[in-house]
Amino acid sequence: QLQLQESGPGLVKPSETLSLTCTVSGGSINGDSYYWGWIRQPPGKGLEWIGSMYYSGSTHYNPSLKSRVTISVDTSKNQFSLKLSSVTAADTAVYYCASPYPVPTGNWFDPWGQGTLVTVSS
Amino acid sequence: EIVLTQSPATLSLSPGERATLSCRASQSFGSFLAWYQQKPGQAPRLLIYDAFNRATGIPARFSGSGSGTDFTLTISSLEPEDFAVYYCLQRSNWPPLFTFGPGTKVDIK
Repeated sequence: QLQLQESGPGLVKPSETLSLTCTVSGGSINGDSYYWGWIRQPPGKGLEWIGSMYYSGSTHYNPSLKSRVTISVDTSKNQFSLKLSSVTAADTAVYYCASPYPVPTGNWFDPWGQGTLVTVSS
Repeated sequence: EIVLTQSPATLSLSPGERATLSCRASQSFGSFLAWYQQKPGQAPRLLIYDAFNRATGIPARFSGSGSGTDFTLTISSLEPEDFAVYYCLQRSNWPPLFTFGPGTKVDIK
């Protein structure tokens, strides 16, 4: 059964770069042309898609975050990572990584990791 | 950019009642829509994809319908474990960009 686990600092200072890693177990990040994703949720608020990555490394980002986001993959470690630069308090959120749920038309995201809270504060 | 609106924001019902949740898009995008359930402290779970297909292991009381700009998630008879927040998620064809709706909370009346 596929499982995902987010890891990284829980506290980041304003203007610095948030860095998280998603480790995948129970399956390989290599494979078909499906995309893995990062999604976030500010405390008490709704979900926001951050970006997606194919195992080959090609990416698509939320236009509202595109200038600050980088998603990358390390297939040797079965991991993919998120970097968000120039963070502010508005970037405080639970960050989730999610695996592809492939369907004939493309893919959705399921299952997700348990999420990790990142707080931006000095 | 497509904007999703979900209504109502909160739905107060009793176990056994029927729940009807709406997701409306600012422009038509076909049937690339999914529904997720999120319980407190948990990650979201995929319920419905491509507007009306149930994900693996999802009970038959959950059903999805709609296309274009108007989509509906129906829970035919609420079980105690169904009280949660429900989000719709839209996907553009290419490039594959995603947008979540703001969510509908289904709580116990």
